[in-house]
Amino acid sequence: DAGITQSPRHKVTETGTPVTLRCHQTENHRYMYWYRQDPGHGLRLIHYSYGVKDTDKGEVSDGYSVSRSKTEDFLLTLESATSSQTSVYFCAISERPGTGGYTFGSGTRLTVV
Amino acid sequence: DQQVKQNSPSLSVQEGRISILNCDYTNSMFDYFLWYKKYPAEGPTFLISISSIKDKNEDGRFTVFLNKSAKHLSLHIVPSQPGDSAVYFCAASVSADGLTFGKGTHLIIQP
Repeated sequence: DAGITQSPRHKVTETGTPVTLRCHQTENHRYMYWYRQDPGHGLRLIHYSYGVKDTDKGEVSDGYSVSRSKTEDFLLTLESATSSQTSVYFCAISERPGTGGYTFGSGTRLTVV
Repeated sequence: DQQVKQNSPSLSVQEGRISILNCDYTNSMFDYFLWYKKYPAEGPTFLISISSIKDKNEDGRFTVFLNKSAKHLSLHIVPSQPGDSAVYFCAASVSADGLTFGKGTHLIIQP
């Protein structure tokens, strides 16, 4: 789907464990984004990247870190998962942000028990 | 503080009629506005966008109207089809800083 893949698609983990979600793209787009979707909140921006090793915080970044060592991969890490981080996580890529050129992955459903 | 608001959680429209989805925003710095459609268990799919310097953009059955003075935009779908049943998100952006989404409107097209 437009060359963006999220893995895993589903994950159940225990409170306090570290978790890493991966977003992989084959489009060579410069910009990558991580969002979470929760009932009653729409999608909220966690972190984003505007190039290799260049990242910035979004609206709900507490408890999350990201890394981008290659153009094609953007990793989202929950250092110590909490139940409040149970959510569906979406990655998006863009070549020209703001013009509508954001493509989303299929999502990762994460459950923290 | 919600910068993008969709005040109707759901909307039911008869097949063949016009669907109008509304969105309000508060941040005057937004320079692009977008509409996304989302089915369950899938990622959002881009529908249509509009620059803040325009007041209308049309693409097939979809038209987006922007009223900057009222900080309001709307998405018109004509005619509505069964496959249009989905959750629609309004989103806005400032440069490359990511999208700010509304909470979504669940559109139901009745046969």
